[in-house]
Amino acid sequence: DIQMTQSPSSLSASLGDRVTITCQTNQEIRIFLNWYQQKPGEAPKLLIYEGFNLETGVSSRFSGGGSGTHFTLTISNLRPEDVGTYYCQRYDNLPPKYTFGQGTKLEIK
Amino acid sequence: EVHLVESGGGLVKPGGSLRLSCVASGFNFSSYSINWVRQAPGKGLEWVSCISSSGSYIYYGDSVKGRFTISRDNAKNSLYLQMNSLRAEDTAVYFCARAPHVGDAFDFWGQGTVVTVSS
Repeated sequence: DIQMTQSPSSLSASLGDRVTITCQTNQEIRIFLNWYQQKPGEAPKLLIYEGFNLETGVSSRFSGGGSGTHFTLTISNLRPEDVGTYYCQRYDNLPPKYTFGQGTKLEIK
Repeated sequence: EVHLVESGGGLVKPGGSLRLSCVASGFNFSSYSINWVRQAPGKGLEWVSCISSSGSYIYYGDSVKGRFTISRDNAKNSLYLQMNSLRAEDTAVYFCARAPHVGDAFDFWGQGTVVTVSS
């Protein structure tokens, strides 16, 4: 079974900072991850799909990257509205299932 | 405008049953796969189940397999989750979320319905 670890579990940064969230797998995967943002009390929102594709309407301050075993979500020029929890997600074919990362809670200093 | 509205949540005793519904509007429901995702209080997201656009392909997470049944009625733009043999650890907010195809990212989510399993 492929294990996926998201880090850090929490993050505190200043306005204008650039932050990076990572998801790592213990085996190389031939797929790219999706990334979601969940603000307190709200449903999750898709930010990045298939590794690096920006969902329509999402700020270009968000970017996705990586491949193989190491995948990243980067937020540039941090703003107050970026506060929330971020999740990576992957899909496996055998057996068919989705898996979410453990989540990263982002706060503003 | 796209809408997914969940309903049917509530308080149920351990061992009991509950049926959740998700009604869609603003898009061609029959062209999308739909998923159930849950979030226990203060915890992360857990995928529960998905069903393909036609209903031909259905998959479940290990924690609900054999207890939950997903179904859809494309004529009514509706998705269902029949939950049997409920346990305390099934307590969560249940979201429905659409994806263009099974395996794709979830590009729109409902606001969720709360299920509490407690005696």
